[in-house]
Amino acid sequence: GDSVTQTEGQVTVSESKSLIINCTYSATSIGYPNLFWYVRYPGEGLQLLLKVITAGQKGSSRGFEATYNKEATSFHLQKASVQESDSAVYYCALSENYAQGLTFGLGTRVSVFP
Amino acid sequence: ETAVFQTPNYHVTQVGNEVSFNCKQTLGHDTMYWYKQDSKKLLKIMFSYNNKQLIVNETVPRRFSPQSSDKAHLNLRIKSVEPEDSAVYLCASSLGLGNAETLYFGSGTRLTVL
Repeated sequence: GDSVTQTEGQVTVSESKSLIINCTYSATSIGYPNLFWYVRYPGEGLQLLLKVITAGQKGSSRGFEATYNKEATSFHLQKASVQESDSAVYYCALSENYAQGLTFGLGTRVSVFP
Repeated sequence: ETAVFQTPNYHVTQVGNEVSFNCKQTLGHDTMYWYKQDSKKLLKIMFSYNNKQLIVNETVPRRFSPQSSDKAHLNLRIKSVEPEDSAVYLCASSLGLGNAETLYFGSGTRLTVL
């Protein structure tokens, strides 16, 4: 079946430094899946950060960017300069078929300290 | 701003009991879902419900059943809980059933089975 692998566990980064969370995927269909980054801020529910449904395109939101690389089957999340408010758990996900729902990675906890 | 509401936030029960979780969305969406996040933090879809059409993940045990009175409500009943049901259950909604849809999640119900 489908699977998503992302940077494991916790990432700690200083404010104003750059951040990258790696995400690679494996999809079973011959087409291209839709790719998502969801985020859970402390005390809040899981919410969409960005999505890209076309291979080769880039999505961006709140200073984060992710590019759909179909050759490398990757969808890494990057931000050039993080802030304390970016501290959260980030989930990479894919969707191929509405009946199968979203396939999530295990999440990456990002802690930004001043 | 929360628009998918789940109750209760926490529930502790014993093996063999029946439990029921509630979910309501105020977004006017047509589709609702239940996801399960297990102890390994893996998020997996259990059910999706759209216009009275129920799509069940084939790995979901039959003791789980969704219940919907209208498109704004999707409850989850577990007939006879088992220890492996201990998890966080997340309700979500989306505008429609397409595989590029953005999901809006509730804050979750944490179930502990003793």
